[in-house]
This record gives sequence, structure tokens and C-alpha cells, in this order.
Amino acid sequence: AQSVTQLGSHVSVSEGALVLLRCNYSSSVPPYLFWYVQYPNQGLQLLLKYTTGATLVKGINGFEAEFKKSETSFHLTKPSAHMSDAAEYFCAVIPYNNNDMRFGAGTRLTVKP
Amino acid sequence: EAEVAQSPRYKITEKSQAVAFWCDPISGHATLYWYRQILGQGPELLVQFQDESVVDDSQLPKDRFSAERLKGVDSTLKIQPAELGDSAMYLCASSLGPGRLDEQFFGPGTRLTVL
Repeated sequence: AQSVTQLGSHVSVSEGALVLLRCNYSSSVPPYLFWYVQYPNQGLQLLLKYTTGATLVKGINGFEAEFKKSETSFHLTKPSAHMSDAAEYFCAVIPYNNNDMRFGAGTRLTVKP
Repeated sequence: EAEVAQSPRYKITEKSQAVAFWCDPISGHATLYWYRQILGQGPELLVQFQDESVVDDSQLPKDRFSAERLKGVDSTLKIQPAELGDSAMYLCASSLGPGRLDEQFFGPGTRLTVL
């Protein structure tokens, strides 16, 4: 079954530093790929998604992610972290052969002043 | 801005009691999803509706969980009886259609604690 692995349940960066959140999927056929953010006591908000076409995807709040088929990865990055970026981030996939969205376990991002 | 509404936001109950959660999707959204998010994990789909019909409930524990969307608009998820392991965040989401590229919009969730 299609699975999503997020490396690192917790990531801590300093304000202004690069943010890198890792996501790998297991599938020989690339799925659709998503990144969601969840602030405390709130629902999930879509940051960005990859379906087809350009492998570098830009999203909201300055985030972007690059689809690398050879590495089965879809890592999320942001050049300079803000305090407001502190939240839980979820990578998700929709496999090529069905419509079920499957989420990774999440990565909690902490931003230090 | 249109949002998915859920109530209550928090619910504490004792095991063996019945609980119910309500979701009102964004107006015009035909597809509605219920997810369960256990602490420290990502959301898992429980049930998907297309209008008033269940499209996928393969992960719904049907011995104790039920879901309905009678008029194809708002939806109710019920647990009876609640068990300790049901403690989780229950998220509702909606989308225009069931297509893979239809963005899912999530509500704020209902946090259930079973004592």
C-alpha cells in the first residue's frame, strides 16, 4: 500500500534560518503529493501540491517543495523561517490508482527567536 | 471566506457513552470527508460522502461508528459506545467534487476525550 514517511517528528530552527521538512513516498508510480499545515487547535490548510508538470512547486507563506522522482521525495523548504511558521506539517499523497488521501505522521516545526 | 464548520470543538465523555459530532461543509461542496487524527499521527479517512451517498467507509469501525448526510449537506458522525481508544481529533473536510485534484478544505475539528 502507498505510504508516506516524514523524517523527523520534530524540527527546530532559528528565526531566519532555512526550513527543510522531509517527505518520502513509496510507490513506483508517482502519486499526487501535498503539504498541509496545521496550527494548534485548527484544521489543516493546504500549502502546496504537485500533480504534473514543473517539479518545483511554490505555495503559500513562502514555502516550496520539489518533486524528485528518482528519490521518491517531496521535501518542503522555506529560505527564512518566521516565528509564525511554528506549526505541524503533514505530507500527504493520493495514489495513482485511487482517490484516498493518505497522510504522513507529521513534523512539528519549532522556530526559536 | 467560506469555511467548514464543526461542533462541538471539544467533547469529554465517559466510556460506553454515546457522542455525536456535526459538520457543515462549504456551501456547494458535494463531497464530505470525516477523518480521525490520533495524537502524534496524521489524519486517517473514516468515511467519504458524495452528496448523500457513502462512497468509502472501509475504515469506519461500523460496530460502533455511524455517519450520515441525509440531505447531502451537513453531516453527523456518531460513536456508540465510546471507548478509551476513540480519544482523538475528528476532522471534517469538504471539496467541490470527488476528483483527485479537488482541494479538500478542513474544519477546525472536534477534540474528543474519553475517560
